[in-house]
Amino acid sequence: DGGITQSPKYLFRKEGQNVTLSCEQNLNHDAMYWYRQDPGQGLRLIYYSQIVNDFQKGDIAEGYSVSREKKESFPLTVTSAQKNPTAFYLCASSIGTGPLFGNQPQHFGDGTRLSIL
Amino acid sequence: AQTVTQSQPEMSVQEAETVTLSCTYDTSENNYYLFWYKQPPSRQMILVIRQEAYKQQNATENRFSVNFQKAAKSFSLKISDSQLGDTAMYFCALGSAGKSTFGDGTTLTVKP
Repeated sequence: DGGITQSPKYLFRKEGQNVTLSCEQNLNHDAMYWYRQDPGQGLRLIYYSQIVNDFQKGDIAEGYSVSREKKESFPLTVTSAQKNPTAFYLCASSIGTGPLFGNQPQHFGDGTRLSIL
Repeated sequence: AQTVTQSQPEMSVQEAETVTLSCTYDTSENNYYLFWYKQPPSRQMILVIRQEAYKQQNATENRFSVNFQKAAKSFSLKISDSQLGDTAMYFCALGSAGKSTFGDGTTLTVKP
């Protein structure tokens, strides 16, 4: 079955450490997204990518970095510059780029919960 | 900039009854799509229903239907014959060329 796989499910970060969250999709989707979800709150967009080797900052990109070297993969690195990284992180994908981007429904992974040690 | 507002942080409904979740939005785009997503306690977000702004007919998916009022920029979700499995957080979202925006969500509890 096609879908989005996020790993790990739980992740702990030490002070000053960078950590990378994995997101892989086999849906052949062009667009991929990273969201942060804090308890009782909505989704805030961190980064998104419409095509390989291209990505754009979302609303809360500071302290995060991404890469898109392959269509299937969109890893998110939470850097030591992100002072409040404890949250639930969701990866999503959708078909369509250009004028269709944003018009198609998004498919979500199961999420990664990041905590500080 | 586009915004999505869900004014009801929490709601509850008795099993088998009907409940309506509210959503208002703002955008300068003429061509856009509206979505309702469901996030159950297990956390995987799934699409419930989708509405294209240029279609006047309200979208329906089984027990789920929307009331789309384009002039008022309102997009409410009606759940009929509520079931215990409908307990979840519901997000309204607006998608347009190059942008996707989510509301803060409404937590719905279906009571037996």
